[in-house]
Formats: sequence, structure tokens, C-alpha cells
Amino acid sequence: GQNIDQPTEMTATEGAIVQINCTYQTSGFNGLFWYQQHAGEAPTFLSYNVLDGLEEKGRFSSFLSRSKGYSYLLLKELQMKDSASYLCAPMDSNYQLIWGAGTKLIIKP
Amino acid sequence: GAVVSQHPSWVICKSGTSVKIECRSLDFQATTMFWYRQFPKQSLMLMATSNEGSKATYEQGVEKDKFLINHASLTLSTLTVTSAHPEDSSFYICSGGDRDISPLHFGNGTRLTVT
Repeated sequence: GQNIDQPTEMTATEGAIVQINCTYQTSGFNGLFWYQQHAGEAPTFLSYNVLDGLEEKGRFSSFLSRSKGYSYLLLKELQMKDSASYLCAPMDSNYQLIWGAGTKLIIKP
Repeated sequence: GAVVSQHPSWVICKSGTSVKIECRSLDFQATTMFWYRQFPKQSLMLMATSNEGSKATYEQGVEKDKFLINHASLTLSTLTVTSAHPEDSSFYICSGGDRDISPLHFGNGTRLTVT
């Protein structure tokens, strides 16, 4: 079957760094997306990895290891507005995104 | 960036009535539109996938006669919840893509409350 494993909730301090891990199992693989979703809002696109390695985009970086079925999202210089849920969504062989419940990130001052 | 406009943002309707939700891609052609439903603190649940000009493909357990999807053009897709019941109350979100491997661009969602 297809599944995604992410921590349910994480807490971090403003200004710090946090890494949100994701392991996945899919039928085929066409890359992995990370989305941010604030409470009551729709998800917004953060990053896409299809090859192994690290993709850096400002304060956010995303890493992928296809052989391990593993990805992480790294957030630096945390701000209060980063409090949100972070969704790891791999794309299967049918180009369908597989969604988990995401990781709720709580930022404390 | 690409924008998907979804209307209405929220709607309250009486049980037994129908509600139409519209999604428009404003600056790209959405060859595929996905419709999701999300209950509080749960993951996005794909309801159906539609390609422009063809019938929608519904996920298992989603009633196609209850959730009518129309994708008549590359910029407009609609979801009609027919004969709504309180258990249909949820957050409905559309998303569109212009090719197989592309980030999905989400509408802002519609919060439906059926009384």
C-alpha cells in the first residue's frame, strides 16, 4: 500500500532551526512535494524534489533520498508565521499526490 | 505565481439543497483539476480528478451522483454538492495543474456548513 509517516506535531523556538522528517512508500515515484497549510486555509506549495539531494530555497530547504524513501524539510531562522502544518506529498506512478495528515509545527517566542 | 480562484469561500445551506463551488485558473490552463475534502485535523482526501472535456474519475466511496463535477474548459471546474446533508459539512478545496509533474496550485477552499 501507499503511506506516509511524519511526526504529528513539533515545537520549536523563534529564530531556531527545525527539521521535519518524512518517510514514504508509494507505487512508483515521480517526485515529492512539500506544502505548508495554515489552519483553515488551503495548502501552498513550498518545494519539489525528484532527484536525490538538497534543494535550497531561502529559509526553506528540502532533501530527498529515493533509495531510503526519505525526505526532510529544513526551516531556518524560524518566524512566528511559520506556525502551520507541513505536508509531505510524494507523487506516485499515476502522477497522483499521496497526502498524509502532515506535521503541525508550533513556534514559541 | 499561478493562481486558482475558488468561490464561495464559505457557504451555509439548508439540508436538502444544492451548492455549487467554482474554481478558475487565472493565469494557466488547468488540464487537470483535483477536488479534495478535508475534515478538521485530518489529511486532504481526494474526491475526484477531472480532465478538461471528459468525465471525472471519482475515488472509491465518493458518490458521483451526489458530487457533480464539471470541467468544461481549461480554466473552469465546478463541484456541485446535491441534496446536501449535515455530514457533507467540510472544507472543500480544488487544485489544478497544467502538466503531469507540476506543483498543484490550490484554491483558497470553501467551508461548507449544512444545517
